[in-house]
Parts: sequence; C-alpha cells; structure tokens
Amino acid sequence: AQTVTQSQPEMSVQEAETVTLSCTYDTSESDYYLFWYKQPPSRQMILVIRQEAYKQQNATENRFSVNFQKAAKSFSLKISDSQLGDAAMYFCAYRSSAKIIQGAQKLVFGQGTRLTINP
Amino acid sequence: DGGITQSPKYLFRKEGQNVTLSCEQNLNHDAMYWYRQDPGQGLRLIYYSQIVNDFQKGDIAEGYSVSREKKESFPLTVTSAQKNPTAFYLCASSIRTAGPSYEQYFGPGTRLTVT
Repeated sequence: AQTVTQSQPEMSVQEAETVTLSCTYDTSESDYYLFWYKQPPSRQMILVIRQEAYKQQNATENRFSVNFQKAAKSFSLKISDSQLGDAAMYFCAYRSSAKIIQGAQKLVFGQGTRLTINP
Repeated sequence: DGGITQSPKYLFRKEGQNVTLSCEQNLNHDAMYWYRQDPGQGLRLIYYSQIVNDFQKGDIAEGYSVSREKKESFPLTVTSAQKNPTAFYLCASSIRTAGPSYEQYFGPGTRLTVT
C-alpha cells in the first residue's frame, strides 16, 4: 500500500519570502500522480498543483512550484513571495494511475503541514 | 454556480443515533467520494462511487454506509456502530475516476460532534 509522509507538522515564513514544504511517499508503482492541496481556515480543500510521474519537468503554477525527485520519492512544494493568504494547512497526496483496480481512484494523503505567514 | 454542497456545516448527535450527512453536486461528475479528517491524520477515504447504484469501500468503511441513487447525490450515514464518529467529513467529486490528472473537487465539509 502506498504511504505519504509530511515530516513538518508546522512551518512559518516571513511575508514575501520563500518556503519549501516537504513530502515523501512510498510506492512500488512507476506511474502515478502527485498533488498538493491547500486547506485554509475555511477548511475548503483547494488543489494547488499536480505532477504526473512520467513527466520529468517540474510543475509550476504562478508562485507555486514543485521539486519532484522520482528516484528519491520526494515531492516538495516551494512557495515564492509568500502572501498572508497562503496561510493554511497543506496536504500532499498520491494517486495511482492504475485503471479499474479496486481502490485505484483514491487519494492517499499525508498528515499535513500547517503554514503560518508572519507579516 | 457549479459546485458541491454539504449540509449542515455543524451537526450534533447523541451517542447511539444514526446520522446522515448530505452531499450534492451539480458539476455533472461521475465519481463521488467521502473522506474523514481527524487532527494530525490528514484525510482518509471512507467510501467512493464511480457510477449510480455502485459504490466501494475505502480504507475506513466500518460503521458507515452510503447510497448513490442519483448522480448528483451521495449521502453518508454514520451508524451507531462507528466507534469514534466525531470528526470533520469532506465530500468530493471528479469528472471520472481513472485517467490522467483528474482533479477531485471538495465540498465545504460537515463537522460532526457526537456526545
């Protein structure tokens, strides 16, 4: 079974600076998808960025980018120019690419990292 | 506006009572999911459904039941058999269950407190 680990329960960063959130995962599959979700105080889950394992290029969405290291099974999220609105819980998630297999559609989540932005 | 609605936002029940959480989506999504969120544990999958009248157990299905009679609706019943039902419950949906880079869209959640 796949597992996702976020080793940083809490992180803080000064506004306008850069912060990196860590995520490692364990899988025997070669093809899969990785996601970062943001959960602000409203508790609404919002997709921040996704990465397909078959793509070598790291995904980027505006101020958010990932460092995907497939061999190391590492998937970190970098937030540049941090803003007060970035304060939230961040969850790393894994999904198998296997089709029509029991449980293949589920997302496996890490425990989350609470990010605080200091003004 | 398209989206997922969950009601109510807060729900209180006495121990031993069954309670049903509502989840409705107007995104025309095929697949729907129920997750449970506890402090420090991330989200865990309870049940999911790929099509109407079909659903599968997730990792923590014991003490829960679901139905999928309509594409738009996927209610979750927390039964008295669930030993620790107090939690935050999130419903999600996606356009299809398999395939590349699909995204799960989440509802606002329901906070259930059982005393």
